[in-house]
Amino acid sequence: TQLLEQSPQFLSIQEGENLTVYCNSSSVFSSLQWYRQEPGEGPVLLVTVVTGGEVKKLKRLTFQFGDARKDSSLHITAAQPGDTGLYLCAGSFHPPGTYKYIFGTGTRLKVLA
Amino acid sequence: DSGVTQTPKHLITATGQRVTLRCSPRSGDLSVYWYQQSLDQGLQFLIQYYNGEERAKGNILERFSAQQFPDLHSELNLSSLELGDSALYFCASGRGNVLTFGAGSRLTVL
Repeated sequence: TQLLEQSPQFLSIQEGENLTVYCNSSSVFSSLQWYRQEPGEGPVLLVTVVTGGEVKKLKRLTFQFGDARKDSSLHITAAQPGDTGLYLCAGSFHPPGTYKYIFGTGTRLKVLA
Repeated sequence: DSGVTQTPKHLITATGQRVTLRCSPRSGDLSVYWYQQSLDQGLQFLIQYYNGEERAKGNILERFSAQQFPDLHSELNLSSLELGDSALYFCASGRGNVLTFGAGSRLTVL
C-alpha cells in the first residue's frame, strides 16, 4: 500500500515567520503535486514537480522534489494570513493507460496576523 | 472557476435514502476521479473513470456506485445512507499528471 505522510499535521504561526511542510513516502512517484484547500472549497493545484531534485518557486513558496522522487517539501517565507489553509501533497504514478494519485494526510496551516 | 462543475453544492437527506451527485469535467479531460473528505480528514479516493470505463477503485463502499456517460459527465450514487456518509464529495478531472478539482458537494445525512 502506497502512503504519503505529511508533517506536521497542524501548524499555527505568526505572520512573517517561515515554515516548511514535508511529504514523505517509501514509493517512487512519476511526479508530485502540491495543493491548497480552503474551507468548503476544492483543492487548488499550486505546483507539479517532475524531476528528482527539482526546485520550483511560486512567489514566497518554494517546492522541492527529492532526488529519489520519494519525498518533497514546501517552504513558505514570511507567511501571511492569506496562506492559511490545508496543504495537500499528492504523488502520481502512471500505470499503462491511466494516472493514479496518492494524497497525503494534509497539513493544516494557520497564520495569525 | 476551475472548469469542473459539481451539483448539487449542498444536500441534506435522511438515513436510508439515496442521492446522486453529478460532475462535469473540464472540457477535453477524459478522466474523472471521485474523492470523499470527512471532517478534518484527508482525501479518500473512491473511484476513477476514463472515457466511460472504470479504471481504478479505491475505498468505495458497496452501497456506492458511479458511472461516466458518453458525454463524459459522471454521477456518483450513494444509497442506504448512514450518518457516517456525511462528508464533502469531490470530483476531479484529469489530463496527464494534472488534476483539477470541482468545488465539491456537501452531503449531510440526518
